[in-house]
Amino acid sequence: DTAVSQTPKYLVTQMGNDKSIKCEQNLGHDTMYWYKQDSKKFLKIMFSYNNKELIINETVPNRFSPKSPDKAHLNLHINSLELGDSAVYFCASSQDRSNQPQHFGDGTRLSIL
Amino acid sequence: QKEVEQNSGPLSVPEGAIASLNCTYSDRGSQSFFWYRQYSGKSPELIMSIYSNGDKEDGRFTAQLNKASQYVSLLIRDSQPSDSATYLCADAGGTSYGKLTFGQGTILTVHP
Repeated sequence: DTAVSQTPKYLVTQMGNDKSIKCEQNLGHDTMYWYKQDSKKFLKIMFSYNNKELIINETVPNRFSPKSPDKAHLNLHINSLELGDSAVYFCASSQDRSNQPQHFGDGTRLSIL
Repeated sequence: QKEVEQNSGPLSVPEGAIASLNCTYSDRGSQSFFWYRQYSGKSPELIMSIYSNGDKEDGRFTAQLNKASQYVSLLIRDSQPSDSATYLCADAGGTSYGKLTFGQGTILTVHP
């Protein structure tokens, strides 16, 4: 049983398109995150939700919009995709919003043509 | 701006040796640190967490934290080729509500 699952695993699309990535966790955790890992493997937080409430919103273009319908799901919608958006996007979850270990999904590799 | 620094490597050790991975952090208020292992093309996998000064051992892994020197390390004893991966140090901060700041990672290669 996958603890943190993301779909799709690969996403290849053209510049200017809009796409969504979905994430679900079955760990019963309260807090979920989106991270971006660029081509140099640097992993950087984008957003965090705690019980459906946005608690971390890093300096990310407005084209990126997270949405948490419930505490087990966190989706990421990206408008007007740009070449620089090509990266691996990881979803993660932790028990709560304190400094608990975070568990990562398998990642979504986004490639912009 | 909180920073976490790691030597990107690659660090190459022979099988059976001790691999020593180091990390420094800039935020004096940071309380919690994590080590993640990431195989190529895979997701980060938590291998150790450390919250207080001193050593914490788990199997072949020992994490060390020195808050005075703002230094975290990971020792891998009896290194195996399967330990070859990128090791990411993460600072969870003091009151940053779960925001992890990662180092750039150290590539470890264990050769037979």
